[in-house]
Amino acid sequence: KAGVTQTPRYLIKTRGQQVTLSCSPISGHRSVSWYQQTPGQGLQFLFEYFSETQRNKGNFPGRFSGRQFSNSRSEMNVSTLELGDSALYLCASSLDVTGANVLTFGAGSRLTVL
Amino acid sequence: AQSVTQLGSHVSVSEGALVLLRCNYSSSVPPYLFWYVQYPNQGLQLLLKYTTGATLVKGINGFEAEFKKSETSFHLTKPSAHMSDAAEYFCAVSPTNFGNEKLTFGTGTRLTIIP
Repeated sequence: KAGVTQTPRYLIKTRGQQVTLSCSPISGHRSVSWYQQTPGQGLQFLFEYFSETQRNKGNFPGRFSGRQFSNSRSEMNVSTLELGDSALYLCASSLDVTGANVLTFGAGSRLTVL
Repeated sequence: AQSVTQLGSHVSVSEGALVLLRCNYSSSVPPYLFWYVQYPNQGLQLLLKYTTGATLVKGINGFEAEFKKSETSFHLTKPSAHMSDAAEYFCAVSPTNFGNEKLTFGTGTRLTIIP
């Protein structure tokens, strides 16, 4: 079955712009999590959605937001982009939110902010 | 709160040598434990996980890890390194109770294989 699909794979934006990233989970997976990966900070948790509800949110400013649709697809949005937002944004899906569930990751969306 | 520490941000081993990547966790109760691998320009892929049962866990590509509660460790090993093992490896922990904590990753260890 198809894996986790993230679009776009690469994008370049300028400071002050906004960006929307999309994630289509594995069919049947109801939980979607987002992570930001940078060389300096490593993998940092952004948010987790389950059945269209945000269950958890990481320590990021309000410029970072997300949502999940009824088909479990998820989007995240970053407004008023800053240079420091340049990163690989990874989406992961799992069947549900119990800790033993394995996260299946997409290939990521690499955002460059100029 | 849970946390995970990976000792050594960079590890180099010769092809055919033993691979040992270290991971220690901190948690009020033993968590679920995972190792993920990331190849260049790709997402993370599960290598293995420990939830319950046998403390020695075998994963893909010949890797295995042993959960040692007394040492709060979950080190990753492979008897004989292959060039294709060059990648970044992440240890992660997840709580066993259904709460608000989520999967927490270590800072990663970049493995280089010397021909």
